[in-house]
Amino acid sequence: DTGVSQDPRHKITKRGQNVTFRCDPISEHNRLYWYRQTLGQGPEFLTYFQNEAQLEKSRLLSDRFSAERPKGSFSTLEIQRTEQGDSAMYLCASSLAGGSEAFFGQGTRLTVV
Amino acid sequence: KNEVEQSPQNLTAQEGEFITINCSYSVGISALHWLQQHPGGGIVSLFMLSSGKKKHGRLIATINIQEKHSSLHITASHPRDSAVYICAVSGSEKLVFGKGTKLTVNP
Repeated sequence: DTGVSQDPRHKITKRGQNVTFRCDPISEHNRLYWYRQTLGQGPEFLTYFQNEAQLEKSRLLSDRFSAERPKGSFSTLEIQRTEQGDSAMYLCASSLAGGSEAFFGQGTRLTVV
Repeated sequence: KNEVEQSPQNLTAQEGEFITINCSYSVGISALHWLQQHPGGGIVSLFMLSSGKKKHGRLIATINIQEKHSSLHITASHPRDSAVYICAVSGSEKLVFGKGTKLTVNP
């Protein structure tokens, strides 16, 4: 296992378009987290899954954002009708349940033009 | 006021200097994490601690639960240590992050 992987690494899209990001966690990890990081700021929590269940969503996650983890393995984060304010680094992390260490992917940098 | 505050925001050092980055938090936590982020975005976990002190190579992390304060020390700093160092705390299931400290170590 090579760790948490995210795809794509970079995405440039026009305002109004939909985008989808993928995260493949470490295979035995049942927790998967999505965070968003804007320039000069620390990451902010968006949502997390335990297995396939989405257990918590931040109020930052507007109706245009949806995340899934259908089989409890990889996850997707979709942003509909992108806005310039969505430009950020989207980070995925995985861990075992019970407060263990989280491992991060390299992130997907989204630029909305 | 943010739940996790780091200082300084930016730090420039000469190679070989001893570096300290501080983190204060205002919420109850189960663990505190020190993370390193290089340009390009990827985050690497350096330490996860809930009490006392941990050491890994030239890096040392300490935490004082009563004072809600943690420090990250780098001994004999090197230009390859240049990165953003982020403090994060976990209380419930998710991490709450500080804004990070940008460290630049000049040769």
